[in-house]
Amino acid sequence: DGGITQSPKYLFRKEGQNVTLSCEQNLNHDAMYWYRQDPGQGLRLIYYSQIVNDFQKGDIAEGYSVSREKKESFPLTVTSAQKNPTAFYLCASNPGQNTDTQYFGPGTRLTVL
Amino acid sequence: GDSVTQMEGPVTLSEEAFLTINCTYTATGYPSLFWYVQYPGEGLQLLLKATKADDKGSNKGFEATYRKETTSFHLEKGSVQVSDSAVYFCALRAGSYQLTFGKGTKLSVIP
Repeated sequence: DGGITQSPKYLFRKEGQNVTLSCEQNLNHDAMYWYRQDPGQGLRLIYYSQIVNDFQKGDIAEGYSVSREKKESFPLTVTSAQKNPTAFYLCASNPGQNTDTQYFGPGTRLTVL
Repeated sequence: GDSVTQMEGPVTLSEEAFLTINCTYTATGYPSLFWYVQYPGEGLQLLLKATKADDKGSNKGFEATYRKETTSFHLEKGSVQVSDSAVYFCALRAGSYQLTFGKGTKLSVIP
């Protein structure tokens, strides 16, 4: 089955630790995205990548980092510099080339204790 | 910048009631418009979309019409079911790869 996988579904970390969230897609999509979702605030864009080895900051990139070494993978690292990291994180992709629809993974709920 | 405003929830309806969730937008140019749905504990799924003025998107009994004159894309369904309980997001894409989302509207349908 083609799709986007995010793991793990639930993640707990102690304050001050970096943590990396996984996102993998087998849709052969060029573009990938990371969003953060907080209650009552909708989705906010953290980072996006339109092509391998290239990525751009979104609206709330501070305290996060990403890499795009392979087309199918776009891991997100939540660093200790992120002041309020507890949230639901969603990864998405689309074929690129000026296409509209983004396809979402199931999300990872990160709780920092 | 681009923005999407949708009606605040939560919205609670009885089964078979009529649903409207309002969505208005501000954008440069001619955006594409979307409704996404999020079931509890899951990611977002595309529900429907429209790419130009007067287009009507439809799926699973839901409809929305792209109204350029009122910059709106209201979501409607004639008869909701318990299984429609979810959070609904209106979104737009204007001239880039990025989507701009509204804050979401939680719908609860009771039997």
